[in-house]
Amino acid sequence: LAKTTQPISMDSYEGQEVNITCSHNNIATNDYITWYQQFPSQGPRFIIQGYKTKVTNEVASLFIPADRKSSTLSLPRVSLSDTAVYYCLVGDFGSGGYQKVTFGTGTKLQVIP
Amino acid sequence: NAGVTQTPKFRILKIGQSMTLQCAQDMNHNYMYWYRQDPGMGLKLIYYSVGAGITDKGEVPNGYNVSRSTTEDFPLRLELAAPSQTSVYFCASSDRKSTDTQYFGPGTRLTVL
Repeated sequence: LAKTTQPISMDSYEGQEVNITCSHNNIATNDYITWYQQFPSQGPRFIIQGYKTKVTNEVASLFIPADRKSSTLSLPRVSLSDTAVYYCLVGDFGSGGYQKVTFGTGTKLQVIP
Repeated sequence: NAGVTQTPKFRILKIGQSMTLQCAQDMNHNYMYWYRQDPGMGLKLIYYSVGAGITDKGEVPNGYNVSRSTTEDFPLRLELAAPSQTSVYFCASSDRKSTDTQYFGPGTRLTVL
């Protein structure tokens, strides 16, 4: 089970691009990288998932280098409503059987006006 | 679709009491999960189910029981409530057919006094 390491907290001003990096040195060949967002008093919400290179959707981009030992979630031009905890998960979601994944403590992003 | 629903939203229990947290999903997902989240911490997996009639333990199963008689419902039973079980409980579901996105319910805030 791949262990992930993320910064505990980050601050950013409104309108800036925010990059949150997650380390997963022992990622396995079949593992995908998934990011979730959690607002206070709510359950986590899926943001983006990738396997390699770059993935982009309407909310964020995910950059994964060739060695896949880390990944970076990029949030363009953050607003106050992006203040939340962001979790990086690594797991094999494609194979048969279930692999338990852990959410860890995540990165608490505080967007400042 | 209502997605994942949980009841109750809040509950206060006395030490030694029992209760069942209800979780239902209407997305026909095979996989369902129960997590607990203590203040300022990440989510910890209590139990999960890969389909009706099949359940397995997560990281922190002690003091809890689950059953999965239908695809839609996945109740969590607390027997002999203890103060250490004071937490927010989240139920989630996923289909594991593609990205294995987990969809979370709104949570149940439980206090044991």
